Amino acid sequence: AQRVTQPEKLLSVFKGAPVELKCNYSYSGSPELFWYVQYSRQRLQLLLRHISRESIKGFTADLNKGETSFHLKKPFAQEEDSAMYYCALSPIQGAQKLVFGQGTRLTINP
Amino acid sequence: DADVTQTPRNRITKTGKRIMLECSQTKGHDRMYWYRQDPGLGLRLIYYSFDVKDINKGEISDGYSVSRQAQAKFSLSLESAIPNQTALYFCATSDSQGRGSGYGYTFGSGTRLTVV
Repeated sequence: AQRVTQPEKLLSVFKGAPVELKCNYSYSGSPELFWYVQYSRQRLQLLLRHISRESIKGFTADLNKGETSFHLKKPFAQEEDSAMYYCALSPIQGAQKLVFGQGTRLTINP
Repeated sequence: DADVTQTPRNRITKTGKRIMLECSQTKGHDRMYWYRQDPGLGLRLIYYSFDVKDINKGEISDGYSVSRQAQAKFSLSLESAIPNQTALYFCATSDSQGRGSGYGYTFGSGTRLTVV
């Protein structure tokens, strides 16, 4: 079975500090990995996907197949980054039936 | 403009009542999903539909049913609501061809359901 684990339910860092949200997955095949963000009172939005290898709002994430991880990183946190972040996995590339982690609530302190 | 619209936004209902949550989309996506969000549990898939004639159970389908009335509409029903179905419900869509924003989901704003 596929599983996505986000070990931190809550993460708090100061503005300007680096931030890393951890995501580990369990899947025997080749997964497609995503990060979604939910700002206060807004819907979930796609932040980035590993295939596109983009940097969105200063965030990056690298798929590490050896460690089965897809950690989200940003070198300098901004207050507007405060939100709920979900890591998600699609078992088969293009199949699009996502399995979500439990989410990490990130708070950026001024 | 909301691409994926959920109604109602909030609903309080009594135990044993039947309730329907509706989702409509203007994205032109062929795939639609219903998830529920609970604190500490993340999002869990209830049902999904890859086209109008395709309906599939997710990991927590017991107590729920769905109807895909058209490509743009996907409704979730609770036949006899119970308190542990109190949650935030999200509809999502995606494009099997990955057009536009790729294969990611587009979510609705959610329906907050309380069963008393």
